[in-house]
Amino acid sequence: DAGITQSPRHKVTETGTPVTLRCHQTENHRYMYWYRQDPGHGLRLIHYSYGVKDTDKGEVSDGYSVSRSKTEDFLLTLESATSSQTSVYFCAIIRTEGTEAFFGQGTRLTVV
Amino acid sequence: QKEVEQDPGPLSVPEGAIVSLNCTYSNSAFQYFMWYRQYSRKGPELLMYTYSSGNKEDGRFTAQVDKSSKYISLFIRDSQPSDSATYLCAMIAAGNKLTFGGGTRVLVKP
Repeated sequence: DAGITQSPRHKVTETGTPVTLRCHQTENHRYMYWYRQDPGHGLRLIHYSYGVKDTDKGEVSDGYSVSRSKTEDFLLTLESATSSQTSVYFCAIIRTEGTEAFFGQGTRLTVV
Repeated sequence: QKEVEQDPGPLSVPEGAIVSLNCTYSNSAFQYFMWYRQYSRKGPELLMYTYSSGNKEDGRFTAQVDKSSKYISLFIRDSQPSDSATYLCAMIAAGNKLTFGGGTRVLVKP
């Protein structure tokens, strides 16, 4: 599993509140990704990072921001949570060799 | 049009049958190809990865890549009820852009 840990695993929050999800890896891989998974939509890329302080937007980045101040941590922030952001969020890394990707166990977020 | 197309299924087969899964893609820059299995409420689990055209075998699983046709396949031999899951294809292009198919739901009936 490439030593990927997501926290929290479950969260319920109210509309309009900020939420931060954390992805932590132990193997110093350069590329890290945040996806959301919803029924009928599969895995959609939110943001990704190709190094410390180097990030870029994915296909569904509106309403989300990310930060990567250390190689091992990639944070996803919902600035003001909305019900449409209720989803399961997955963090992934690509091995430095660029050959395979591994996922964390996911964070189930419910916005009420 | 999506870069990676995958039939959503569901695909229902009897136990012991061969499961055949496919993805097509449009971006010729994809270099690495992967298959994931995902059980309900779990994260995707890497099953196979390959980077060249041809076949790669691992136990009951065979991954096939045809870059000229932009087509990849996964075959599961001697399928078991525990193989019931959603199977996702994924591809990596230069710059490590990781793109997924929508997933195929597979049901293996005892």
